Amino acid sequence: AQKVTQAQTEISVVEKEDVTLDCVYETRDTTYYLFWYKQPPSGELVFLIRRNSFDEQNEISGRYSWNFQKSTSSFNFTITASQVVDSAVYFCALRGSGGSNYKLTFGKGTLLTVNP
Amino acid sequence: DGGITQSPKYLFRKEGQNVTLSCEQNLNHDAMYWYRQDPGQGLRLIYYSQIVNDFQKGDIAEGYSVSREKKESFPLTVTSAQKNPTAFYLCASSIRPTSGGRNEQFFGPGTRLTVL
Repeated sequence: AQKVTQAQTEISVVEKEDVTLDCVYETRDTTYYLFWYKQPPSGELVFLIRRNSFDEQNEISGRYSWNFQKSTSSFNFTITASQVVDSAVYFCALRGSGGSNYKLTFGKGTLLTVNP
Repeated sequence: DGGITQSPKYLFRKEGQNVTLSCEQNLNHDAMYWYRQDPGQGLRLIYYSQIVNDFQKGDIAEGYSVSREKKESFPLTVTSAQKNPTAFYLCASSIRPTSGGRNEQFFGPGTRLTVL
């Protein structure tokens, strides 16, 4: 069975602070895919990043960076110099391969509030 | 513009009535999905379809039905058999999961269904 755990239910920071959102996953698949999505108050899920299990290189995109650690089954997301527009619910998700390759397993999300 | 549309954004129905939620995509994606989101929860898969005229049950299919007569369209019917239908419903699409590569799912804006 696959599982994604986002232990932080809510995080509140002041603008310009750095913040890290944690994601821990479980899967028996040797090939799998990890994702982060942002859900602003409007409700639509916005795709942020996909990481393949065979590519452990960390990635940076502007103020966003992702740290994939296969040894600890974690895929953490850091926002540097947070802004009010970053306020949203962030979901980590996992997709396996083989028989379960269609299904995204989501964590319960982390509500990030960035205060001015 | 390429994307996924869902209509309506808000939907109110009386208990015992069936209701159909629309989902259309012009991304030329083979696979389409329906998810349900409840407050404070991650997304749960209702149904998915990898190709026209074929669909499979997800984790919480009871009380729901779908059809996939066209590649672009994947409507979801919430039947009177669904015991707790009030929720936020999200439609998504992707290339076929078996294709590998850029297999992330893209989401529509969602429909918020309230049963009175």
